[in-house]
Amino acid sequence: GAGVSQSPSNKVTEKGKDVELRCDPISGHTALYWYRQSLGQGLEFLIYFQGNSAPDKSGLPSDRFSAERTGGSVSTLTIQRTQQEDSAVYLCASSLEAGRDYGYTFGSGTRLTVV
Amino acid sequence: KNQVEQSPQSLIILEGKNCTLQCNYTVSPFSNLRWYKQDTGRGPVSLTIMTFSENTKSNGRYTATLDADTKQSSLHITASQLSDSASYICVVWGGGSNYKLTFGKGTLLTVNP
Repeated sequence: GAGVSQSPSNKVTEKGKDVELRCDPISGHTALYWYRQSLGQGLEFLIYFQGNSAPDKSGLPSDRFSAERTGGSVSTLTIQRTQQEDSAVYLCASSLEAGRDYGYTFGSGTRLTVV
Repeated sequence: KNQVEQSPQSLIILEGKNCTLQCNYTVSPFSNLRWYKQDTGRGPVSLTIMTFSENTKSNGRYTATLDADTKQSSLHITASQLSDSASYICVVWGGGSNYKLTFGKGTLLTVNP
């Protein structure tokens, strides 16, 4: 596609439920990143995928968070047993290749609200 | 620890006025610095990118400066418009094989008529 597409754009869920957030990167971009943006905070790195390499999961805040990228394209971020502190905007970005400055293209994000 | 500090946190100006946003960083090594604009409900969009050897770069009414010696950058907006209302985020990349970026918390700019 022309840009990075994320869905849903908004998600309200009850505490304790599981949620799945989807990211469809720009075609041909091998690097994909997930970030979390909480109110008044900078973007927090969550996870990074590069081609077929093992993902860097060092930013995931707990084992309730997981992500996968199927076929080197679409990625899904899953949050299990959601907590209120998980409420934030989850941004996905892709680039041609990690480790080089091709620049990121961000999606519009998924605003997650845990009630 | 790599950090990017931005000031002010928020700023309100009248349409047509100029403003300057500041960014100080401690990222080392340094490869480049970008300013992003993030409209409400949207993802950040890159405005400018500056490498170590560049001192100034313009993109329309946006002009970014970089002093790599003092590790400071500024974003100057000329003749502000209502559509400039957004969060402006300073982002620094260390370069090489490091794919992680260091983000500032942003400056929230509101342009009032």
